[in-house]
Amino acid sequence: SQQGEEDPQALSIQEGENATMNCSYKTSINNLQWYRQNSGRGLVHLILIRSNEREKHSGRLRVTLDTSKKSSSLLITASRAADTASYFCAQLIQGAQKLVFGQGTRLTINP
Amino acid sequence: DTEVTQTPKHLVMGMTNKKSLKCEQHMGHRAMYWYKQKAKKPPELMFVYSYEKLSINESVPSRFSPECPNSSLLNLHLHALQPEDSALYLCASSQPHRRGGGPPYEQYFGPGTRLTVT
Repeated sequence: SQQGEEDPQALSIQEGENATMNCSYKTSINNLQWYRQNSGRGLVHLILIRSNEREKHSGRLRVTLDTSKKSSSLLITASRAADTASYFCAQLIQGAQKLVFGQGTRLTINP
Repeated sequence: DTEVTQTPKHLVMGMTNKKSLKCEQHMGHRAMYWYKQKAKKPPELMFVYSYEKLSINESVPSRFSPECPNSSLLNLHLHALQPEDSALYLCASSQPHRRGGGPPYEQYFGPGTRLTVT
């Protein structure tokens, strides 16, 4: 399977704390994408990091990429209740139009 | 307009029924996708259309039949489904990825159709 793995599978923190999710993938990439999914709804693209980038920021989101370890992390700072969702990393398989998602992390922000 | 719409939102069908899921986008995207998502699992790709032609079929059973009548519409025709086909079906669109390289494009997802097969 080309699917990556994410950990933790579930994370519950207090509002205002930072949340870190990790993603490991198996094949070489030219970019890694992160998506958010609110319960039972469609996915929303959050951020894309290219293989020649090590870190990228977007608002309260910070993504890092370590291609030598085939891993990426998503940090959400100063979490809010509205951040409660599932978060998926996804890799675009080179040479194909195929986006393969990791298993996802279910994040719960407690008020 | 960055919206992908899907109808219906919910669908309950028997194993002998024929139904269709519909997806529409007006972003000028020339790649459209169908995904299947079971509870607490990631989306799994089913089909990809690029420039209205089927480019990827992930070995999906023939009881699922996709159709792309034009660049804005994507249908998924359902026939003789099994209870295990119950899932959230997501449609997405993007600019088509070039096989030889080129920039990666994010995918825009619709809200999904929750399908229950009884």
